[in-house]
Order: sequence, then C-alpha cells, then structure tokens
Amino acid sequence: KAGVTQTPRYLIKTRGQQVTLSCSPISGHRSVSWYQQTPGQGLQFLFEYFSETQRNKGNFPGRFSGRQFSNSRSEMNVSTLELGDSALYLCASSGAPGLAALEQYFGPGTRLTVT
Amino acid sequence: DAKTTQPPSMDCAEGRAANLPCNHSTISGNEYVYWYRQIHSQGPQYIIHGLKNNETNEMASLIITEDRKSSTLILPHATLRDTAVYYCIATGGFKTIFGAGTRLFVKA
Repeated sequence: KAGVTQTPRYLIKTRGQQVTLSCSPISGHRSVSWYQQTPGQGLQFLFEYFSETQRNKGNFPGRFSGRQFSNSRSEMNVSTLELGDSALYLCASSGAPGLAALEQYFGPGTRLTVT
Repeated sequence: DAKTTQPPSMDCAEGRAANLPCNHSTISGNEYVYWYRQIHSQGPQYIIHGLKNNETNEMASLIITEDRKSSTLILPHATLRDTAVYYCIATGGFKTIFGAGTRLFVKA
C-alpha cells in the first residue's frame, strides 16, 4: 500500500506571497491532519479534516487554511507569507476519526523556505 | 490532553534494550498513551499505543504503570537505525500534541 505523499517536497517563496501544499493520504484513509515543524517550536498541530470537514484546529492565524476533497486528498494554503513560516509542513493520514485518528501515518513533508 | 514529561536525551548501546520513560501524572481515565518517533528529516512514525494494559508489537513494548501516571517504551534490541526523537503523547481527543520528546542515541 502506498504511503502518504506530499507535493512539492521543497519550495522557496518570497515574503507576502501565498503557497498551496498538497497531501494525498493512504488509500482508504479519510482523516488528514497537518502539522508545522520548526526547530524552535517543534511539531505543532495545524488542523484536521475528516470527510471534507475541518474537525479540529490548532492555534495558528487565519492565514493558514486548508481543505479536503471528496477523494480525501487535502491541501493547505498559507497566505501573505512571513519569514517565520519557514518550516517543514507534515501531513498525516488516519483510517478513522476519534481515537483511531491518533494512529497516524505521516508523509515526508514539504520544506518551505520563505525569503 | 495530559501533559507529558520526557528526558531530553538518552544513550543506548547497540544490541541492548532501550528503555524510554514518560511521565503523565495528570492523565485521565479515558486518555491513551501513544508513542511516535521521528528519524532525522523524516515524518514521525507511529510506534505503539495503550490504555492501561501493557502492549507489544513488532517494533516495541509499552509498559504502563498500574496508576497510569507513567509509562516506558522498550526497544528490545536497539540498532543504530533506532536513533531518533521519541515522542510520548497522552490524549483522549482528536488532536496529537507533540512535546519535545527524547532524543535517543544508539551507539555502536
């Protein structure tokens, strides 16, 4: 079974621009979560989607948004990029909501650099 | 979600058992203990989880104390490839909140 895939793997953007990252979950998985990882803050939860609905959200500004499509693929968007948005963005999928969603399978991440 | 406390780093000799402790003294009755690890430059990898019984799978064993206030992840025969950051999470909800974890160094 193929794992979680994320595209692109690396991205360089300029301050003020916007970016869209894509995540394809494991086949059959309907829950997708997004995380931001930086050396200073560690792994931080952004949001979780299940069946095209956002179920949980972390403490990030409204510039960070996401969506999930009917095929469970998910995108996250960051508008008006700031230097502090430079990070590894990780997507994780799970086969079910609730506690089972905590058994997550992570993709390799997208490394975003904002200059 | 209960707060967890882990030592920042640990060393282990290759071939020996690695015992990674986690304190979750405020855990509530419906919260599970989950363990993940992250090898450098990769996404975190699920290892194991449990509620109150000890659990074992092909990767590791999880020992939870009877009062559930702490747990230990055991890698029975650590290899160099087990060098990673190990995260202990106590949660009953839908979020996975990662702390700083324990950086395990397996040495030859």
